[in-house]
Amino acid sequence: AQSVTQPDIHITVSEGASLELRCNYSYGATPYLFWYVQSPGQGLQLLLKYFSGDTLVQGIKGFEAEFKRSQSSFNLRKPSVHWSDAAEYFCAVGPYGGATNKLIFGTGTLLAVQP
Amino acid sequence: KAGVTQTPRYLIKTRGQQVTLSCSPISGHRSVSWYQQTPGQGLQFLFEYFSETQRNKGNFPGRFSGRQFSNSRSEMNVSTLELGDSALYLCASSLTSGRRDNEQFFGPGTRLTVL
Repeated sequence: AQSVTQPDIHITVSEGASLELRCNYSYGATPYLFWYVQSPGQGLQLLLKYFSGDTLVQGIKGFEAEFKRSQSSFNLRKPSVHWSDAAEYFCAVGPYGGATNKLIFGTGTLLAVQP
Repeated sequence: KAGVTQTPRYLIKTRGQQVTLSCSPISGHRSVSWYQQTPGQGLQFLFEYFSETQRNKGNFPGRFSGRQFSNSRSEMNVSTLELGDSALYLCASSLTSGRRDNEQFFGPGTRLTVL
């Protein structure tokens, strides 16, 4: 079955430090992968997406992610974290099942940024 | 361009009641998907509508239903509310359905509390 795993429930980093959030997926076909961010009381904002081609994708707010098929991973990175990056981050795969927009989400990683 | 609008933003109901949530997609978007977000289950797909037709349905009981109008606005209804229905309900709009390069734009959600 298709699934997404985010092994880290909660991560704390210092402002200015680098960040890597892990995401592993299980998907029968070539996956389409997404990272979303959710600030408190807000909906989801798309950070970046991978469909095909270059396995290193750039997104908004200085984020990037690398698709590694051999490891079934799509880890999110940022070289220098800002306090405003504190939020919950979700990895997703899809659309799943043909004529649909359905996404399958991981359980999320809550990022705290300390001064 | 206005984003996805969800009304109401907050709702408190008691067990056994029913509730209707509304989602207005971005102008020109014809697909609306609904997700339930809870601390225990994370983000789970409820259903998707495209051009007034349900395209896909998640694994939820029949108490959860939805519809889409000719102007693409969508409503979801939950009858006979249970405590476990307390959640953030998110809707996402997209231009089309089934294209794997679709970007989905999420609304801020409706926070439903069932007492």
